[in-house]
Amino acid sequence: ETGVTQSPTHLIKTRGQQVTLRCSSQSGHNTVSWYQQALGQGPQFIFQYYREEENGRGNFPPRFSGLQFPNYSSELNVNALELDDSALYLCASSLATTEAFFGQGTRLTVV
Amino acid sequence: AQRVTQPEKLLSVFKGAPVELKCNYSYSGSPELFWYVQYSRQRLQLLLRHISRESIKGFTADLNKGETSFHLKKPFAQEEDSAMYYCALRLPGTGGYNKLIFGAGTRLAVHP
Repeated sequence: ETGVTQSPTHLIKTRGQQVTLRCSSQSGHNTVSWYQQALGQGPQFIFQYYREEENGRGNFPPRFSGLQFPNYSSELNVNALELDDSALYLCASSLATTEAFFGQGTRLTVV
Repeated sequence: AQRVTQPEKLLSVFKGAPVELKCNYSYSGSPELFWYVQYSRQRLQLLLRHISRESIKGFTADLNKGETSFHLKKPFAQEEDSAMYYCALRLPGTGGYNKLIFGAGTRLAVHP
């Protein structure tokens, strides 16, 4: 059984650019959630996809968007990057409402 | 609004001492609460959930609806317990909805 994998592990972007982060769900999981974790804070829910449809969203602007593919992998896209978007982005997968398994995260730095 | 509060950023104890990591929540419905742990250079992982009422690695947590608390306890801390601990509240929903609200976390440091 493979775990949740995220890519890349680190990246640096310039303010105003766009970024795509990727997540490969654990085998058999049909739900993927994305979280933003700023330094010294707990993870904050961005949105969730269930069977390729967004079915929940946190308090994040529309420039944060996502996709879930038929194989249940997922992307998080952020447009018009701001300095405050610098954070660790976590992906978590689950089978419906069972335990959520987290990836190692992608550390995004916006300069 | 739903909220999870962990009042201590850092809890420092000696090996063998009792540990209590505090968690309070704000939620009008029937809560579902979890403790997640992150060891150094490892991913966030589930430690325990209130529904199962289990003890994992010697840790227990009891849901107190009157005090809206879900404190994590261990009678004798070990050095390997040193980690970041997050309390989380899961909101109900349908169709695979699985939103977690996390506290800011407490770093537990167990000294020899």
